[in-house]
Parts: sequence; structure tokens; C-alpha cells
Amino acid sequence: DAGVTQSPTHLIKTRGQQVTLRCSPKSGHDTVSWYQQALGQGPQFIFQYYEEEERQRGNFPDRFSGHQFPNYSSELNVNALLLGDSALYLCASGRGPQETQYFGPGTRLLVL
Amino acid sequence: AQSVTQPDIHITVSEGASLELRCNYSYGATPYLFWYVQSPGQGLQLLLKYFSGDTLVQGIKGFEAEFKRSQSSFNLRKPSVHWSDAAEYFCAAPNSGNTPLVFGKGTRLSVIA
Repeated sequence: DAGVTQSPTHLIKTRGQQVTLRCSPKSGHDTVSWYQQALGQGPQFIFQYYEEEERQRGNFPDRFSGHQFPNYSSELNVNALLLGDSALYLCASGRGPQETQYFGPGTRLLVL
Repeated sequence: AQSVTQPDIHITVSEGASLELRCNYSYGATPYLFWYVQSPGQGLQLLLKYFSGDTLVQGIKGFEAEFKRSQSSFNLRKPSVHWSDAAEYFCAAPNSGNTPLVFGKGTRLSVIA
């Protein structure tokens, strides 16, 4: 049984560029949440997708957007990248918005 | 809003010694509480969770945690630490319902011989 998978594992971008990160939830899970983890910090909630809609959103600017597909996989898009967007981006999935979340390995983004 | 505090940034223990990592939460009549572990360069692995019932929760890898409402605490314990336990440990609680999770800043555990 595959767990949560994320791609790519690492990414290097320059300021002002745009990036798309991808997440496939654990089998049987229909809810995907995204978190940003800066170096030396705990993860911070970006947003959650359920039934292809954004259900909850954390304190992140509109440069951060997402999408959920009918197969429950999800994308995180970040526009106009800033140096401060450099972080580990974690995807978590669950059997519904109120259920325990299981995390993927993350995508490490470096913005130069 | 929920806040989670992990007072210890870094703890070093000897292999075979006991371990206790502290966690305090700020909000919730009957909170959901979680401990996750993160090895270097990896994602988060769920160690254990508390929803209700018995206040002593058993998890994977020999870890346990005790919920104490009077102290707003959910401390993680292990009776005998192994070198492979060296990692970053995060305590988390939801803002409302079960998500989104609010994480503490983490406690880095080092294990020495």
C-alpha cells in the first residue's frame, strides 16, 4: 500500500519564477493538505483540499494556490517566487477533512 | 487560536536512557493531540495520537504519551532510547476539529553512545 507521494523531491528556482509541486494521497484518502516547513521550524498550514475545493486556508498570500483533481491528487502552485519561499513543502492526506493526516516525504524548494 | 509549545529545542540522551519530550497546548476542551517524528531530510511520520479515552497512549517504535488536562500537556516518553531515535520530534494539535494542524517548533533529539 503506497503512502503519500510527492514530486519532485528537490527543486531550484530563481526569484520571480513560478513552481508547481505535486502530491498523490495515500490509497483510500480523499483529502489533501499542504504545509510549508522553513528551516528549523515546525510545518505551517497552507491550505486543504476536499472534493476538489479549497476548504481551509492558512495565513499565506494569494501567490500560493492549489488544485485537487478527480483522482484526489493535488498540486500546489507558487507564483512570483521570493527567497523566503525556500522551504520543505509537505503534503498530507486523510480519509476526510476531520481525520488523521499522514505526511509525504516533502519537496525541498530552493529559491535563488 | 491554538498554540503548541515545545519548551526544549534540543535534548541529548545516552543510548539506553529514558526520554521525555515536553509539549503544552493552549486551547481545546478535549483536544486532539499528535506526535510526529522527522528524520533528517524526510517527511513526518505519525508516532501516536490522542482523541479521547485512556490518557496514556501507546505508539509505534516503543513510544508512549500521556495527556494531562490539568497541565495542558501531552509529553512523549520512551523507557530506553536507541541510536536510531535521533530525529526531530513535533507535537501538534488542530485549530478546530481535526485540521489544520498547528505544530510546535520541534525538539531535536541527539543520542550519544
